[in-house]
Amino acid sequence: GENVEQHPSTLSVQEGDSAVIKCTYSDSASNYFPWYKQELGKGPQLIIDIRSNVGEKKDQRIAVTLNKTAKHFSLHITETQPEDSAVYFCAAAETSYDKVIFGPGTSLSVIP
Amino acid sequence: DTGVSQDPRHKITKRGQNVTFRCDPISEHNRLYWYRQTLGQGPEFLTYFQNEAQLEKSRLLSDRFSAERPKGSFSTLEIQRTEQGDSAMYLCASSHTGGGDRELFFGEGSRLTVL
Repeated sequence: GENVEQHPSTLSVQEGDSAVIKCTYSDSASNYFPWYKQELGKGPQLIIDIRSNVGEKKDQRIAVTLNKTAKHFSLHITETQPEDSAVYFCAAAETSYDKVIFGPGTSLSVIP
Repeated sequence: DTGVSQDPRHKITKRGQNVTFRCDPISEHNRLYWYRQTLGQGPEFLTYFQNEAQLEKSRLLSDRFSAERPKGSFSTLEIQRTEQGDSAMYLCASSHTGGGDRELFFGEGSRLTVL
């Protein structure tokens, strides 16, 4: 089955700096790669996703890149703000309809 | 639309007791998922349904765990003869396979503590 790994497990950045989280996956059948943000006491919430026919996608301060050959994908957050502090999970699935397999998470702290 | 709701939010039980969690998905969402999350880890897939049909069950789900979605709306997750290792947050999510958003919408979870 699919296995998703994620690095780093914790990340501290100064407000205004960029943050990068990297993930790898194992199953070449995966074609859908969502990113979720989880705040304390809440369930994860989708922030952006990318499909395998796209190499990069951007939404305001957030961008994701995908290298399907290497089975790598990354999340980039620019101009970080304190409200970006949360746990971020990368994930993989065969399609957006299927079960989603999550990575172990990255705890991001943005220091004002 | 009130989102995905889970009940109870917290449950403390003694080892060996049975517990049941309920999930009410977003109305008209035909897919419903159960995940388990322990501290510092990502959600682990347990099982999912399309309408009332259980499509897949993870190997993580021992025979003590059973999930149902009898009328294709709400779902229950029952854990029999609880063990301390069952202590975790149990997350429910729903999605729709039709047009529009296909993302998973999560509830806030049911936290289980087994003493």
